[in-house]
Amino acid sequence: GAGVSQSPSNKVTEKGKDVELRCDPISGHTALYWYRQSLGQGLEFLIYFQGNSAPDKSGLPSDRFSAERTGGSVSTLTIQRTQQEDSAVYLCASSLDSGPSGNTIYFGEGSWLTVV
Amino acid sequence: GQSLEQPSEVTAVEGAIVQINCTYQTSGFYGLSWYQQHDGGAPTFLSYNALDGLEETGRFSSFLSRSDSYGYLLLQELQMKDSASYFCAVRDNAGNMLTFGGGTRLMVKP
Repeated sequence: GAGVSQSPSNKVTEKGKDVELRCDPISGHTALYWYRQSLGQGLEFLIYFQGNSAPDKSGLPSDRFSAERTGGSVSTLTIQRTQQEDSAVYLCASSLDSGPSGNTIYFGEGSWLTVV
Repeated sequence: GQSLEQPSEVTAVEGAIVQINCTYQTSGFYGLSWYQQHDGGAPTFLSYNALDGLEETGRFSSFLSRSDSYGYLLLQELQMKDSASYFCAVRDNAGNMLTFGGGTRLMVKP
């Protein structure tokens, strides 16, 4: 596609429910990132996929968070048993590779999650 | 691991020049990048420095000193639309994930 596509754009869920957030990266981009951003705060790294390598999961805040990337393209971030502190915008980004061009990453518009 | 420090907020007037500094600590280094984010929007790429010196792109320039683990973003001829948050980011030399600083909120006043 022309850009990184994320869905849903907005999600309101009840505490304790599971949510799935989807990211469709730019075609041909091998690197895919998930970040989390609370209102007015910085970008918190969650997870990074690069090609067929094992993902870097070092940023996932708890075992309630997981992500997968199928076929090296679409990725799904799953949050189980959501808590109010999970409320944030979840940003997906992709880049060509992990070389110099990987310094330019392209973000989607984010999925705004509100846990009530 | 990596960590980056940048001021939380900067205020300047329209037409002025502003410099946003970034210092970093990283186990390796593979480039310093800058991103702009308007309220409610997604971050967008501004510039990238792999080597020491100044990179200029229109009104925006970015500088890097690897020996000082320091860089800055220079915005000239400020416009109201430049009001946004600016993030510096580094990669380690394994070419792995991009780590962002906490962001600098720039407010441009008339």
